[in-house]
Amino acid sequence: EIVLTQSPGTLPLSPGEGATLSCRASQTVTKNYLAWYQQKPGQSPRLLIFDASKRAAGVPDRFGGSGSGTDFILTISRLEPEDFAVYYCQLYGGSVTTFGQGTKVE
Amino acid sequence: QVQLQQSGGEVKKPGASVKVSCKASGYTFMNYGITWVRQAPGQGLEWVGWISGYNGNTNYAQKFQGRVTMTRDISTSTAYMELRSLRSDDTAVFYCARGSDFFGFWGQGTMVTVSS
Repeated sequence: EIVLTQSPGTLPLSPGEGATLSCRASQTVTKNYLAWYQQKPGQSPRLLIFDASKRAAGVPDRFGGSGSGTDFILTISRLEPEDFAVYYCQLYGGSVTTFGQGTKVE
Repeated sequence: QVQLQQSGGEVKKPGASVKVSCKASGYTFMNYGITWVRQAPGQGLEWVGWISGYNGNTNYAQKFQGRVTMTRDISTSTAYMELRSLRSDDTAVFYCARGSDFFGFWGQGTMVTVSS
């Protein structure tokens, strides 16, 4: 089973700054089947990115996904106040779905 | 618009079972599966399993094998997740989400509290 490791665990930043979140897989991810979600307290997760780099409908273009193989990145170009949340990566495409443990942007 | 409406919160005693429902609307139910995800308080997301909307085939996480059963009722476009032999560490919010790969639509979550 592939394990996803996210880093850092916590990312202290200020509005207007850029954010770079990492998600590393223990094995090569097939066809870049990796997604990113944002979750705010008391809310359901929100899909941001799928297939490693494709933005979901309605997601602002300040969110970008990149990477391949085992290393994936979520970038937020200029943090807005509403972007402070927990972000999860997710592996899919096989018989098992796996989530990373999350990165909190605070 | 696509909506997934989950049943309300539950309080159960250790050893009991819980059955959570997820009623879908705004799309053809049989065209998509439903995935269930668990989130313990203050913790991350954990995949529980998936059921096909088309034929009811299921795929469960190994951790939950033998304790979980997922079913669906196509006449009401509703998916169900039953978890048995509840333990205190099953206390969590359970989410349903549409699909089997990535999840663009989620239910609002159902809090299941296991306490004696």
